Amino acid sequence: DGGITQSPKYLFRKEGQNVTLSCEQNLNHDAMYWYRQDPGQGLRLIYYSQIVNDFQKGDIAEGYSVSREKKESFPLTVTSAQKNPTAFYLCASSIRGGVTVGEQFFGPGTRLTVL
Amino acid sequence: DAKTTQPNSMESNEEEPVHLPCNHSTISGTDYIHWYRQLPSQGPEYVIHGLTSNVNNRMASLAIAEDRKSSTLILHRATLRDAAVYYCILPIQGAQKLVFGQGTRLTINP
Repeated sequence: DGGITQSPKYLFRKEGQNVTLSCEQNLNHDAMYWYRQDPGQGLRLIYYSQIVNDFQKGDIAEGYSVSREKKESFPLTVTSAQKNPTAFYLCASSIRGGVTVGEQFFGPGTRLTVL
Repeated sequence: DAKTTQPNSMESNEEEPVHLPCNHSTISGTDYIHWYRQLPSQGPEYVIHGLTSNVNNRMASLAIAEDRKSSTLILHRATLRDAAVYYCILPIQGAQKLVFGQGTRLTINP
């Protein structure tokens, strides 16, 4: 079955440590996204990538970094510079970049807790 | 994105129809209207999208006002599994990102 996988589902880290969240898709989609969701809030865009080896900052990119070396993979690193990293992180993909119509497919999310 | 306004919460009973409203008075002529829903502790799920005409799919129907300043997502026969937060979104033209507001939290009573 095609889809998006995120791992792990729950992640605990000590303050000051960098942590990398995994996102893989086998939908052959060009575009991938990372969102952050805080309790009771909507999603906010962290980074997005319309094509391999290219990515753009979203609305809340500070303290985060990404890479897009392969079409299938878009890992997100939460660095120690992120002031409040505890949140629910969601990865998504869509068929191609530059399109504002149609479906984004979301992964199950990773809940990160920084102790 | 063009601004959308949704009620914070709605409640309905199982097996009854549910009409979820969305106002988007600043919509432009080329803005598509998208609906997503998010079940507890899960990623959002695409529901439906449309431009001018009413749309139907296996999950729901989308009724779009003639002046396109509002739309309504219709769940024809709600089940307990439809309890979720429903988001009405008008994507930014050319920016290719979705901006999720707080949506409408739908509660279904057995």
